[in-house]
Amino acid sequence: EVQLVQSGAEVKKPGESLKISCRGSGFTFTDHWIGWVRQVPGKGLEWMGVIYVGDSDTRYSPSFQGQVTISVDKSISTAYLQWSSLKASDTAMFYCARESYFDLWGQGTLVTVSS
Amino acid sequence: DIQMTQSPSSLSASVGDRVTITCRASQGISNLLAWYQQRPGKVPKLLIYAASTLQSGVPSRFSGSRSGTDFTLTISSLQPEDVATYYCRTYVSARGTFGQGTKVEIK
Repeated sequence: EVQLVQSGAEVKKPGESLKISCRGSGFTFTDHWIGWVRQVPGKGLEWMGVIYVGDSDTRYSPSFQGQVTISVDKSISTAYLQWSSLKASDTAMFYCARESYFDLWGQGTLVTVSS
Repeated sequence: DIQMTQSPSSLSASVGDRVTITCRASQGISNLLAWYQQRPGKVPKLLIYAASTLQSGVPSRFSGSRSGTDFTLTISSLQPEDVATYYCRTYVSARGTFGQGTKVEIK
């Protein structure tokens, strides 16, 4: 089955680090760009950035540049989104999706940052 | 970066009505625009890509069109299951910007 499977929900404290994952299966993962999308509760979709699995070429939205890091381990068909120091404002649902036009989405990972 | 201006932010229509949502790009994006549907509490779903190509499995009442930098999503006959928020997004140069979303409700 063609799918993207994301890691489970996380509850973290401000200042903590976090790395969430997105594993692809059923398709040639290395042929694709994988993107990340943020959705703050009750708000719209925000494009964060993408990574080309084949060579790890990465592009970020100016809004997220320097705030997060996108990476990939193509040996296990997994993309990652990580934070070095979380803030309460990072509380959101995060989706991974397959480019070019996000035809395949992960189920989402809810990240809650609260003291 | 390219900005996508989507309108209206919300609309209410009756079952069977024709519904139109528009998206304007701040610069030329060719036909590199997609439309997504997000039902409440669900994962977004691709409806249309390349401005007017219907994704496999999407009902034919959904259609997309382009005029320059203006893009339109049309639902020809609104159904109860179409209650959702709809987003446009450009995917130029491996970058993507979403519109603000349009919430569609049944009157």
